[in-house]
Amino acid sequence: EAAVTQSPRNKVAVTGGKVTLSCNQTNNHNNMYWYRQDTGHGLRLIHYSYGAGSTEKGDIPDGYKASRPSQENFSLILELATPSQTSVYFCASGEQGASAETLYFGSGTRLTVL
Amino acid sequence: AQSVTQPDARVTVSEGASLQLRCKYSYSATPYLFWYVQYPRQGLQLLLKYYSGDPVVQGVNSFEAEFSKSNSSFHLQKASVHWSDSAVYFCALSMNSNNRIFFGDGTQLVVKP
Repeated sequence: EAAVTQSPRNKVAVTGGKVTLSCNQTNNHNNMYWYRQDTGHGLRLIHYSYGAGSTEKGDIPDGYKASRPSQENFSLILELATPSQTSVYFCASGEQGASAETLYFGSGTRLTVL
Repeated sequence: AQSVTQPDARVTVSEGASLQLRCKYSYSATPYLFWYVQYPRQGLQLLLKYYSGDPVVQGVNSFEAEFSKSNSSFHLQKASVHWSDSAVYFCALSMNSNNRIFFGDGTQLVVKP
């Protein structure tokens, strides 16, 4: 069974503070993704990675950084958190193949920036 | 540019009734298409996917979807819903097997007892 674990599950941060969201996968998948989910917007891609050491910008990267130090770990970093970044964040892993890639999602991190 | 549209933000049906959740896509070629489900306080899980062959795709929990190139659609269907099917359903698109996935805004399904 594919496993993607996110931490923390909930986070309250102050405006201007630094926030790090962590994601670990035990699937040995090359690809990892960070999405945010807001009412009325569905899932929007922030950053993604094709493997250790690589990060790519998604559709809404402003205000976010990403880090992929290993195959298993992919972090999302908010250097200067703002209230507009209050959201639910999902990490996912996936593997390229001959057929369409299936994404495996974590349970999400609910971030509130005050 | 590619896009996915789910025209219904919320659908309410009675338990035992049939269900159709609509999905329209915009893409010049034949895309890879997916339906994901999100139960409360959980991440998304794959229901089914289409990338070639038979346009009717079977998924988990008796869900199926039909791809229509002429209508640019990939509607999700179920013959008889159960209260446990209440969730948010996302249609998604990828341009090829190595490309990232674009999600629709989701349809919240409410099944009344």
